[in-house]
Amino acid sequence: AQSVAQPEDQVNVAEGNPLTVKCTYSVSGNPYLFWYVQYPNRGLQFLLKYITGDNLVKGSYGFEAEFNKSQTSFHLKKPSALVSDSALYFCAVRSSYSGAGSYQLTFGKGTKLSVIP
Amino acid sequence: DTAVSQTPKYLVTQMGNDKSIKCEQNLGHDTMYWYKQDSKKFLKIMFSYNNKELIINETVPNRFSPKSPDKAHLNLHINSLELGDSAVYFCASSRGRGGNQPQHFGDGTRLSIL
Repeated sequence: AQSVAQPEDQVNVAEGNPLTVKCTYSVSGNPYLFWYVQYPNRGLQFLLKYITGDNLVKGSYGFEAEFNKSQTSFHLKKPSALVSDSALYFCAVRSSYSGAGSYQLTFGKGTKLSVIP
Repeated sequence: DTAVSQTPKYLVTQMGNDKSIKCEQNLGHDTMYWYKQDSKKFLKIMFSYNNKELIINETVPNRFSPKSPDKAHLNLHINSLELGDSAVYFCASSRGRGGNQPQHFGDGTRLSIL
């Protein structure tokens, strides 16, 4: 079974400060990892993904994430937070194995990011 | 030029009724999904179709039945609605079988059962 943990329900950060949203995962085999953002009354929007290769992945809106295999983590980061980054962030994982039951993404419970002006 | 569109956006109905939610994507993707997001924002996969073939069928009540007339459409029919069905239902699509490609989401259908 695969799972994702986002240990923080909420993260508060001052505008202009760096932000980190944490994610750890559990999966058989190698992981495919994703970050999505959800604004109020909207669907999820893709930010970035890690499939293979460089552990540091850059995505949309200045976000990046670092894959750490030994710590089974995939934390989302941004050097300088904007008020407009305030939203709900979801980490998701699936196994690289193919076969029955392996096609689905498992999402974390979400972390609400609030950027304070 | 909405990529993934769902109708209706809001659905308010009585317990026991039957309702349908429609989804269409114009991205040329061959895989589509239905998710349920509850009041605590927890997101759970319900179904997925790849080229009209059901590939994910999670443990949901039989009252929920997906139907994919073609690979650009995935509808969700719900029979005998119950209070616990109140949630936001999201349709999504992706290229391939959802492995390493990002999913594109619609803006959701907010279902409220009275």
